[in-house]
Amino acid sequence: SAVISQKPSRDICQRGTSLTIQCQVDSQVTMMFWYRQQPGQSLTLIATANQGSEATYESGFVIDKFPISRPNLTFSTLTVSNMSPEDSSIYLCSVEDAQGYEQYFGPGTRLTVT
Amino acid sequence: GIQVEQSPPDLILQEGANSTLRCNFSDSVNNLQWFHQNPWGQLINLFYIPSGTKQNGRLSATTVATERYSLLYISSSQTTDSGVYFCVPLPSGSRLTFGEGTQLTVNP
Repeated sequence: SAVISQKPSRDICQRGTSLTIQCQVDSQVTMMFWYRQQPGQSLTLIATANQGSEATYESGFVIDKFPISRPNLTFSTLTVSNMSPEDSSIYLCSVEDAQGYEQYFGPGTRLTVT
Repeated sequence: GIQVEQSPPDLILQEGANSTLRCNFSDSVNNLQWFHQNPWGQLINLFYIPSGTKQNGRLSATTVATERYSLLYISSSQTTDSGVYFCVPLPSGSRLTFGEGTQLTVNP
């Protein structure tokens, strides 16, 4: 299994500003994933982040809006840029286990944009 | 991509009742996970079960991959079981795709 922490756990931000969310894993992992969960909705994959390469974004998500860093095998950041109220969501990072079977999720970052 | 249908979409139980949640998926998979998202938003791994049956306390799960469905059994439900249950099948070479889940409410 993997133990994942996220910072901040929640934040309230003003529109037009940016927030960087950190994800830390207790072991080295190849792939890290970022998800968004809008209020009352299911989870949607934003992007996959591999260490040493550009993140791969899903349809509907762009790097200018959601830049991702992956400086090493235990850490990643997701920035939500130029925020609007529509960005109010829970943002979750996840990782695969070493065998590539199970995925584990961090506790999430609850973002409210006013 | 793979389609996931979970039923029922909503379920209300009295504490102590048993329930079965069902997940149908549209394509063959080499991985399937059940998650519980608690009311605080945290996703908790329940089972990794691409096939067969597993049990963990009051919960058990069965996946019949050849018939493309999985079942989650909850016995003697407790209020702490409330939340959303997601079945997430993973086709080979693909990434997790979440369906709408089953919203479970257990009343005292």
